[in-house]
Amino acid sequence: RKEVEQDPGPFNVPEGATVAFNCTYSNSASQSFFWYRQDCRKEPKLLMSVYSSGNEDGRFTAQLNRASQYISLLIRDSKLSDSATYLCVVTPHGSSNTGKLIFGQGTTLQVKP
Amino acid sequence: DAEITQSPRHKITETGRQVTLACHQTWNHNNMFWYRQDLGHGLRLIHYSYGVQDTNKGEVSDGYSVSRSNTEDLPLTLESAASSQTSVYFCASSRTGDGNIQYFGAGTRLSVL
Repeated sequence: RKEVEQDPGPFNVPEGATVAFNCTYSNSASQSFFWYRQDCRKEPKLLMSVYSSGNEDGRFTAQLNRASQYISLLIRDSKLSDSATYLCVVTPHGSSNTGKLIFGQGTTLQVKP
Repeated sequence: DAEITQSPRHKITETGRQVTLACHQTWNHNNMFWYRQDLGHGLRLIHYSYGVQDTNKGEVSDGYSVSRSNTEDLPLTLESAASSQTSVYFCASSRTGDGNIQYFGAGTRLSVL
């Protein structure tokens, strides 16, 4: 079983739609969680960290469910510019301070006019 | 502005040749990482370093080596390139205590023929 699992998609949605991605992680000891965004043929960039209480950044909302070991990302009012691959990222177990990250394969979002 | 740069951006080589990919960061980050990204696998960790003279193997280190002689650079060497090493390579860096957030270079696209 992969340490971080995501539905690769693609998710095809019209502009203005609300879309949600989920990600599951295997190790209950993981401490830190992130969503990264990767545009085609570009480097991954941090979209947002995910906090236990949930957090919001504009149209983006991230949630963490430790009991079920999943992380979600909600995008409201989708824009064409949101088209990208979204990577779910966690720290390996027992490594909250060592800097290593485990990346999911990513979920591809295509926003259509 | 501080940044992380990779060179070359594109490289074509032949099997059996030694290849070195450069990674240089000006953030004075102590942690540096090399990943490869392939379809169906996402980002996989090759090698990483927590500081000068420190290097560690990641999950796919066979056939690769790194050295860390200063804070700014972590070159990745393919000792004898193989077709299976055709991939996109990303370098990343992070600062200890910065919540494990990694910043990526633009990537090197390597083809081994």
